[in-house]
Amino acid sequence: DIQMTQSPSSLSASVGDRVTITCRASQGISSYLAWYQQKPGQVPKLLIYAASTLQSGVPSRFSGSGSGTDFTLTISSLQPEDIATYYCQKYNSAPWTFGQGTKVEIK
Amino acid sequence: EVQLVESGGGLVKPGGSLRISCEASGFTFSTYSMSWVRQAPGKGLEWLSSISTSSSYIYYADSVRGRFTISRDSAKNSLYLQMNSLRAEDTAVYYCARARCSSGSCYYYSDYWGQGTLVTVSS
Repeated sequence: DIQMTQSPSSLSASVGDRVTITCRASQGISSYLAWYQQKPGQVPKLLIYAASTLQSGVPSRFSGSGSGTDFTLTISSLQPEDIATYYCQKYNSAPWTFGQGTKVEIK
Repeated sequence: EVQLVESGGGLVKPGGSLRISCEASGFTFSTYSMSWVRQAPGKGLEWLSSISTSSSYIYYADSVRGRFTISRDSAKNSLYLQMNSLRAEDTAVYYCARARCSSGSCYYYSDYWGQGTLVTVSS
């Protein structure tokens, strides 16, 4: 099975900073990658699919890039409401594995 | 408005069984593939199982294959997960999630999630 590895596991940044989270697949998955945001005590929310397509209603400060094995989620200017754990998920073929998550905190 | 409402969680002893349900509304349930995802306390998301629109295709994670059974009833707009031989490590919040489907094709990432139901396996 293809493994999904996120880095870092956690990060602390200041409001306004540019934040980048990486997701690496152990084998190529083309662009079949989604990103989710889960705020504390809340349900996961879809941010990005097809590696770089923003889900409707998601702020434009979020962006995704990559294909094959290496993917990134970027927050161009971190806001206090972005405090959350972010997950990637592959969906090229079963199992639809999630990454282990990246916790984003405010410095 | 799309709504997914899980129910049926609770406390069960190791080795026991439980069936959880997810009632869907606000969309044509029969045209969407569905999934179950769980989250153990303080841990990350774990995909468990998915089912296609007509139940023709069913997928399981290795961690639950042979113990859990996914099913759906389009007449009741409901998704189910029958869980047998439960273990302490199955303790988690179980989420029902809708796959992204369009024009008859579905991709197994999730655009809507329920609020989850807590399953606790303990003696």
